[in-house]
Amino acid sequence: DTTVKQNPRYKLARVGKPVNLICSQTMNHDTMYWYQKKPNQAPKLLLFYYDKILNREADTFEKFQSSRPNNSFCSLYIGSAGLEYSAMYLCASSRLGGSYEQYFGPGTRLTVL
Amino acid sequence: GDSVTQMQGQVTLSEDDFLFINCTYSTTWYPTLFWYVQYPGEGPQLLLKVTTANNKGISRGFEATYDKRTTSFHLQKASVQESDSAVYYCVLRNAGAKLTFGGGTRLTVRP
Repeated sequence: DTTVKQNPRYKLARVGKPVNLICSQTMNHDTMYWYQKKPNQAPKLLLFYYDKILNREADTFEKFQSSRPNNSFCSLYIGSAGLEYSAMYLCASSRLGGSYEQYFGPGTRLTVL
Repeated sequence: GDSVTQMQGQVTLSEDDFLFINCTYSTTWYPTLFWYVQYPGEGPQLLLKVTTANNKGISRGFEATYDKRTTSFHLQKASVQESDSAVYYCVLRNAGAKLTFGGGTRLTVRP
C-alpha cells in the first residue's frame, strides 16, 4: 500500500483560530513532509521530519508547527490562522531521508474566513 | 537558490496530438529531475525520473531528456489520450533531497 492519507480533506477555519491537519502513512517511511500549494503557484515546502528531527524552512519558520508522535503520523499546526493561510496543504513521505520517491497524499484544502 | 520554470500554464490538445511541455531549471548542483502528474482529487504522483547518470526517462508513453547544456527537461508524448488530462509538474531534487517544483502545466485533452 503506497497510500498517504490526509484528514480532513476540507477545513474551514476562522481568522485567529488554531488549525490542526493530520497525515498518515503505513509504508514505514522515515521522512514526512508538508507543502503548501496556492492557486497558480508551485507547491512550496514548509517543513519535514526526518525520523524525529523537525526541519522547518527559514521563511515559514514561525508560522507553522508540526509534531510526529510516531513513525506513521505527522500533523501540521497553525496557532492563529490568517487569511493568507488559505491554501491546499499536501503531505508526502519518503524513505532514506528523501533519496527515494516522495509519495503524496490528496491534500487538505484549508479556507480561512 | 534552485528554481524551476514552466512557461506553459495551460495546454489544450485533441486526442492523438503530440504533447510538448517546456521546463527549464537553475541550480548550482547536479540535480535529479522528475516529472510528477496530479489527477483531479489526488496528490502528485511520480511519472518519471532522470539522474545525471541516465539522460532520458520513459514512462507510460511519456519521455523527458535531461539536457545539461541548455538546463532543460522537456516532457513529450507522441499521442495523448483524454485520460492524460492532468496537471504536470517539473521537479528538481538537489543534494539535500529537497524538491523544488515548477508552477505546473494543466493539460486538457479533448476527445
